[in-house]
Amino acid sequence: DAGVIQSPRHEVTEMGQEVTLRCKLISGHNSLFWYRQTMMRGLELLIYFNNNVPIDDSGMPEDRFSAKMPNASFSTLKIQPSEPRDSAVYFCASSFRVRGYGYTFGSGTRLTVV
Amino acid sequence: DAKTTQPNSMESNEEEPVHLPCNHSTISGTDYIHWYRQLPSQGPEYVIHGLTSNVNNRMASLAIAEDRKSSTLILHRATLRDAAVYYCTEAVQGAQKLVFGQGTRLTINP
Repeated sequence: DAGVIQSPRHEVTEMGQEVTLRCKLISGHNSLFWYRQTMMRGLELLIYFNNNVPIDDSGMPEDRFSAKMPNASFSTLKIQPSEPRDSAVYFCASSFRVRGYGYTFGSGTRLTVV
Repeated sequence: DAKTTQPNSMESNEEEPVHLPCNHSTISGTDYIHWYRQLPSQGPEYVIHGLTSNVNNRMASLAIAEDRKSSTLILHRATLRDAAVYYCTEAVQGAQKLVFGQGTRLTINP
């Protein structure tokens, strides 16, 4: 298995532009988590899905952020419009929806908004 | 959300055992304890998890206190490649989600 695949690895964009981050889950996993990491705030959970349904989006910073799971193997995180304070590394992780099962993280997307 | 407490940093020598502590002051009886590590410029990597009993795998051992208010991740023989930030966390009952603290930055001296 290729693991959790995120794209792009790096993204530099101008303030005000729309940014879309992509994530492909491990085959058979049915839970998907989006995290954001910065030096100041560490790893923050933004949103997670079980079986394509959003369960908890309380970590999504504001309405500029949205996440979708159009199918069981793929998710997107969109920021529109982007702002410099959105600069961070964004990780997605997948898991089985079983208590105690570990997560597998992707390599992350480093987003820079100038 | 679950809150864990870890030392900010620890240092050890190559080929020696390392014991990384974690306090789980608000853990409930059915919350799993998870440990992850993050190497520089990589995503977090699953290390080990457990509920009540001590657990072993190829990467590490996990010792869980009888009252479950603390756990210790044990690296039996540290190598330079084990230098990373180590996070302990809890899978909160019914919510499944993992909330990460600041972790322990482990430095391994050659």
